[in-house]
Amino acid sequence: QLQLQESGPGLVKPSETLSLTCTVSGASISSSRYYWGWICQPPGQGLEWIGSIYYSGTTYYNPSLKRRVTISVDTSKNHLSLKLSSVTAADTAVYYCVGGRAQDIAAFDYWGQGTLVTVSS
Amino acid sequence: QSVLTQPPSVSAAPGQKVTISCSGSNSSIGSYYVSWYQQLPGTAPKLLIYENNKRPSGIPDRFSGSKSGTSATLGITGLQTGDEAEYYCGTWDNSLSNVVFGGGTKLTVL
Repeated sequence: QLQLQESGPGLVKPSETLSLTCTVSGASISSSRYYWGWICQPPGQGLEWIGSIYYSGTTYYNPSLKRRVTISVDTSKNHLSLKLSSVTAADTAVYYCVGGRAQDIAAFDYWGQGTLVTVSS
Repeated sequence: QSVLTQPPSVSAAPGQKVTISCSGSNSSIGSYYVSWYQQLPGTAPKLLIYENNKRPSGIPDRFSGSKSGTSATLGITGLQTGDEAEYYCGTWDNSLSNVVFGGGTKLTVL
């Protein structure tokens, strides 16, 4: 059974870089069957796609976040990572690690439980 | 302001049927598959419908999806109190080069 688990600091200072890791179990992160990504949800608000990465290493980012985001995979650890630089209070959100079928970038079959990241000094 | 438009809330009695609409554009729903998600309070979203009308394994057939032109609809029959949740539609928007979601619809089962 494919499972995702996010980990990382729950508190980040303004202007610093938010870094999260997602451990994928039950599937190889380098499998051509899946893609992986991140979605955030500010408190009391809706879902916002951050970006996705395919097994080939090709990345797709939300244009509004593109200059601040890096998504990468570590195949040796079966990990997915997110780095979001120059954070502000507006980046306070629950961050979800997601995975989906390779045929549809907007269909997210698998979700981690989410991790709340607060941006505050 | 979300790219996809959903009603903020819908409600119906237990056992009844409800539909939730999702309106987009030619560059989004009009050209790509639509997915639907259920988010129970305090939990991560769950995929209910993919490729407009397909259900992942384990999703009961009380949930259905359809698409026509630039709009999509989620249908839920035999409503249960456990269906009370926020529902989101999502798709790819080619003009924005972005995965886009609706603003969410809160379902209340009276």
